[in-house]
Amino acid sequence: DAGVTQSPTHLIKTRGQQVTLRCSPKSGHDTVSWYQQALGQGPQFIFQYYEEEERQRGNFPDRFSGHQFPNYSSELNVNALLLGDSALYLCASSFRGHGSKNIQYFGAGTRLSVL
Amino acid sequence: GENVEQHPSTLSVQEGDSAVIKCTYSDSASNYFPWYKQELGKGPQLIIDIRSNVGEKKDQRIAVTLNKTAKHFSLHITETQPEDSAVYFCAATTMDTGRRALTFGSGTRLQVQP
Repeated sequence: DAGVTQSPTHLIKTRGQQVTLRCSPKSGHDTVSWYQQALGQGPQFIFQYYEEEERQRGNFPDRFSGHQFPNYSSELNVNALLLGDSALYLCASSFRGHGSKNIQYFGAGTRLSVL
Repeated sequence: GENVEQHPSTLSVQEGDSAVIKCTYSDSASNYFPWYKQELGKGPQLIIDIRSNVGEKKDQRIAVTLNKTAKHFSLHITETQPEDSAVYFCAATTMDTGRRALTFGSGTRLQVQP
């Protein structure tokens, strides 16, 4: 059983560009959350998708947007990249059904460097 | 919103010793507290969790305690081994349907000296 998979592993962009990161959730999971982890810090919540809708959002600007597909996979898009967007972007999947334990399983992340 | 503080930021112990990492949270609505271990180049891996209706939970060498009144929870690792070396994160959230984002602490880098 594959866990949470993210692509690409690494990405280098320049300021002002746009980037798309992808995530496939763990089998049986229906909810995807995205987190940004700056170097030496804990992950910070960006947003969560369930039933193809954004259900909860953290304190991130509108430059950060996302999408969830019918197969539960998800994309994170960041427009007008800033140097400060350089970070490890983590995807976590979970099952939102009745009685679920909200256990979030993380992928290995995408390392984004903005030059 | 929720705020989670974690101490210490770094911890160095000798192999076989115990390690304790402490966290405090601010939102009394939080009722689920997972701990994650992150090794270099990998994503966080859940190692143990505790819900607010339980005061302590143990899994082999790892235990977590929760004091709801004081809004404190702690991770205890006994008989540490070199492979326990990693960054550990505490987190808090609620089990309510509309509020499931994890709020993480800033992390503790644990180094186990052989």
